[in-house]
Amino acid sequence: EAGVAQSPRYKIIEKRQSVAFWCNPISGHATLYWYQQILGQGPKLLIQFQNNGVVDDSQLPKDRFSAERLKGVDSTLKIQPAKLEDSAVYLCASSLWGGRVRVFFGQGTRLTVV
Amino acid sequence: GQQLNQSPQSMFIQEGEDVSMNCTSSSIFNTWLWYKQDPGEGPVLLIALYKAGELTSNGRLTAQFGITRKDSFLNISASIPSDVGIYFCAGLGITGNQFYFGTGTSLTVIP
Repeated sequence: EAGVAQSPRYKIIEKRQSVAFWCNPISGHATLYWYQQILGQGPKLLIQFQNNGVVDDSQLPKDRFSAERLKGVDSTLKIQPAKLEDSAVYLCASSLWGGRVRVFFGQGTRLTVV
Repeated sequence: GQQLNQSPQSMFIQEGEDVSMNCTSSSIFNTWLWYKQDPGEGPVLLIALYKAGELTSNGRLTAQFGITRKDSFLNISASIPSDVGIYFCAGLGITGNQFYFGTGTSLTVIP
């Protein structure tokens, strides 16, 4: 079974530039999560989708971050404009909805803002 | 957002020793998940727990869902060098929406 796919693996941009990350969840997983993991910390939830609807985006900095999951499958997370403090690993995860939830992660995208 | 407290923050042990770590929260959780993260990789799911008191094993790993539903424990027996990494707990709140992650326990195994 294929896992959660993310691209790119690495990205270096200058501050004030824009960047986008892509995620394709495990087939059949209705729930998709985007997490931000700053070096030395645990992942912090940015946004959670259930199919193509947003369940929780309370910790998403909406002035610069946006995410969409238009067809309820793959998703894109965008940062515009980027700040130095956005340097982190952005992790995508997915799970089935309901029942005994098990959340599976992709390899992440390491973003460096210079 | 809420963050779970893990302890210890780091551990340095000899190969073959047993390891214990725990995760605590001020809130009740319905599900506890334990992950291992290697450098440059995403977290890998180790064990999932779904009810208070549940004890589940995965090879040399054993995890327990605390009776109060506010904590969980992970034990690793007879540690080996490939156990090196950062271990995270994660809890699913009673509203069923957010997964909150712990602060992580960094494990170093000395051969």
